[in-house]
Amino acid sequence: GIQVEQSPPDLILQEGANSTLRCNFSDSVNNLQWFHQNPWGQLINLFYIPSGTKQNGRLSATTVATERYSLLYISSSQTTDSGVYFCAVMYSGGGADGLTFGKGTHLIIQP
Amino acid sequence: NAGVTQTPKFQVLKTGQSMTLQCAQDMNHNSMYWYRQDPGMGLRLIYYSASEGTTDKGEVPNGYNVSRLNKREFSLRLESAAPSQTSVYFCASSPTFRREGYFGPGTRLTVT
Repeated sequence: GIQVEQSPPDLILQEGANSTLRCNFSDSVNNLQWFHQNPWGQLINLFYIPSGTKQNGRLSATTVATERYSLLYISSSQTTDSGVYFCAVMYSGGGADGLTFGKGTHLIIQP
Repeated sequence: NAGVTQTPKFQVLKTGQSMTLQCAQDMNHNSMYWYRQDPGMGLRLIYYSASEGTTDKGEVPNGYNVSRLNKREFSLRLESAAPSQTSVYFCASSPTFRREGYFGPGTRLTVT
């Protein structure tokens, strides 16, 4: 099946810092999403971005489908940004109609 | 508009007991999914229903059954719970085939 690798696995930053999270995937996709899992376990949709660039406030994401990677940018980090960020993809070649998740990036923002 | 709801939020079972996890969505979505999340891991697909009346296996279906009761509801059943099924279970829905998924709050299940 399709493989999804996220880096870095862990990231500790001071409040106000910027960060870039990376997601590499092994095959062509027709669905790519970024999620934030907060400390209470809730999964929050950040972006649906199978290709191109999107921005939402301090967060933005870029997917280069031809090169099989996506980037999530967080600017001016706040303590509420802490949690685990997951990239999830759906293989475009058929098979199970569900998302394949990476193992996540655990982000800690210190005050 | 509650989105995706799951019941119960927490459950403790003994090995061999059975239970059903309930999921409902009010977004008129066609596709629904069940995932499990183990510590330090991303989510893995158990079963999915691309549309009302259909269900299919995902990556880790063994030990589970599902029922798409109607367009709104998709339940997950553990017939004989095992400690390896201790996990957090998430239900999700999406508008159409292979569009973005929206997740419920999860059910934390412990099997002793």
